This record gives sequence, structure tokens and C-alpha cells, in this order.
Amino acid sequence: ETGVTQTPRHLVMGMTNKKSLKCEQHLGHNAMYWYKQSAKKPLELMFVYNFKEQTENNSVPSRFSPECPNSSHLFLHLHTLQPEDSALYLCASSQETTGRSSYEQYFGPGTRLTVT
Amino acid sequence: AQSVTQLGSHVSVSEGALVLLRCNYSSSVPPYLFWYVQYPNQGLQLLLKYTSAATLVKGINGFEAEFKKSETSFHLTKPSAHMSDAAEYFCAVSDPFNAGGTSYGKLTFGQGTILTVHP
Repeated sequence: ETGVTQTPRHLVMGMTNKKSLKCEQHLGHNAMYWYKQSAKKPLELMFVYNFKEQTENNSVPSRFSPECPNSSHLFLHLHTLQPEDSALYLCASSQETTGRSSYEQYFGPGTRLTVT
Repeated sequence: AQSVTQLGSHVSVSEGALVLLRCNYSSSVPPYLFWYVQYPNQGLQLLLKYTSAATLVKGINGFEAEFKKSETSFHLTKPSAHMSDAAEYFCAVSDPFNAGGTSYGKLTFGQGTILTVHP
């Protein structure tokens, strides 16, 4: 595997279910991100992990719970979601240096989530 | 604060015609600028980037963009459109020195431009 992978690619879940999205990066990067992409809306940054520490939570509802066990893996745990949470969830990674941003973020293919 | 405006949510061109996708940015510091492409049901793929070196940047698939500081623009062009170019394109800006207080290069994306290519 190369780059950033995400599983599953598609997920349908009921509002009472609990599921998890998985992201793995094979690039040796030290920062990972979760984005939400909804129709007709700009990409929304949800969470940022830098050196496995969560450094940003953009007012995301608690029904979304991230986990970063190491610098290569990132999870998004989902529970009691709402239909408006249906979207494409994208994971990304980058290599960060203190005081200077990375040149770019590398994105995975995304998980298409449908909440029924 | 940084922002990006992409003029035109939809652009339609004929195969073989010039592609021009417009992006204007706002930044209090010299920015890094990026163009990403997204094909249906896929993630974002980096097309090209400007990181304060040459102002004319060449990317993959024959695309290029020119950084114009005086116009605060970073428009994406391709001389001759191909059917396979049909996708959504995103312009993004980041602060090279994390002056916004983050520990990472926060990307601010535009709304996206859907490119349609007609035979």
C-alpha cells in the first residue's frame, strides 16, 4: 500500500449504530487530519493530530470521536449520528516542522457515509 | 485570516479548448498556494503548488498556474482540455509559518469549481 488509505470506502449506518472509520498513511508523516465534505459546502476541517496529539477540534459534535494510536493510524468513531452527518469523510496527512508549515497535505480516497 | 475565492462554481469547455479556472486569495503573509483535483468518489489529488519559488508553476496532467501577487491570484490553466479533465478543482491557501498559532500548515479551501468537458 502506498499513500493514504481509508476503510471502508462506503458505509451505511442507522442512527443508533456505532461504527468506526479507519485511515492509514504510509508516507512517514507526523500529522493527520479528518475532513468532512458535504454537497455544496466547502471542505470542513474536523480534527488535527500532530505527533499523535490532538491539536485542533473544530467544534465537532461529540458523536464524532477521533483516535490516533500512532502517527500512521487515525480513526473516527461514530455513534448516534444524524442524517445530516451523511457526507464524504476524508483523511489526510502531512509532514510538519515546528514553526513552518508543510508543503502539502496528502488525501485518502474517502469514506462515503450514509446515515439512515 | 486567510481566504480563497474561486470564481465560477461551474466551468464548461469543449475538448481541445483552453481551460481557465480562477482563484483569488487573501492572506496577511506571503502564502503557499495549491490546486487540488477531485474525481468522482475519490479523494483530493495535488495538481500543483506554489511555495515562493518560481511564480509560474507546472503541475501534473499539463496544468499550470501563475502566482500574481499584485492581483492576489493563482489561476489554473491548461492549453487544451481533455475529456479526462472533467472533475472538481479546489484552490487552497496556507500560511507557511503557522502565524495563525497552529502547529501545522492549516489549509483553507475554496468552494470548488466543477469542470465539464464537452466532446
